[in-house]
Amino acid sequence: QKEVEQNSGPLSVPEGAIASLNCTYSDRGSQSFFWYRQYSGKSPELIMSIYSNGDKEDGRFTAQLNKASQYVSLLIRDSQPSDSATYLCAITGGGADGLTFGKGTHLIIQP
Amino acid sequence: EPEVTQTPSHQVTQMGQEVILRCVPISNHLYFYWYRQILGQKVEFLVSFYNNEISEKSEIFDDQFSVERPDGSNFTLKIRSTKLEDSAMYFCASSKQITGNTEAFFGQGTRLTVV
Repeated sequence: QKEVEQNSGPLSVPEGAIASLNCTYSDRGSQSFFWYRQYSGKSPELIMSIYSNGDKEDGRFTAQLNKASQYVSLLIRDSQPSDSATYLCAITGGGADGLTFGKGTHLIIQP
Repeated sequence: EPEVTQTPSHQVTQMGQEVILRCVPISNHLYFYWYRQILGQKVEFLVSFYNNEISEKSEIFDDQFSVERPDGSNFTLKIRSTKLEDSAMYFCASSKQITGNTEAFFGQGTRLTVV
């Protein structure tokens, strides 16, 4: 049984600061790792994908993967009020495997 | 920008009735998925579909569920005899699934309410 664990929050961060979101997973065979953003009542929106150990940067977002520790994180720099949402960590073994999602971390950016 | 589209956005049905949820995946994508999210809970995988057949399915995807690609563009999820506990948001997703890029993109969802 694949498990993805996230702190549900809420995580409150001042505007302009760095928001740090964390995720651990149970299946060592996981190959692909994703962060989705979900606004209330909306569908998951892909923010970042990462497939190998290390950091991957895209604009204000940096994803970090440590397969040995089974740990994925997302950093959001210069946080904006529009970043307030639930952030979902998702993993897959690849191929036709579906995504296994965590419950999400509710992020609040305080103006 | 290409996107996954789902219809209807909201469906209300009586318990025991059949419903069909429809999706148009992104045109050059090869893998299609259905997920559901019960209110306040996490997104759960139901089924993946590739080359006109089911590739993987979860424990949730029991005999009351079926999927079909009736033509070159649509991908449907049928629930044969709906139960109250089927009330949820249903998301369709698609991905290219080429090596090194397995990103899945989600449609806007169908909110299914069973009364």
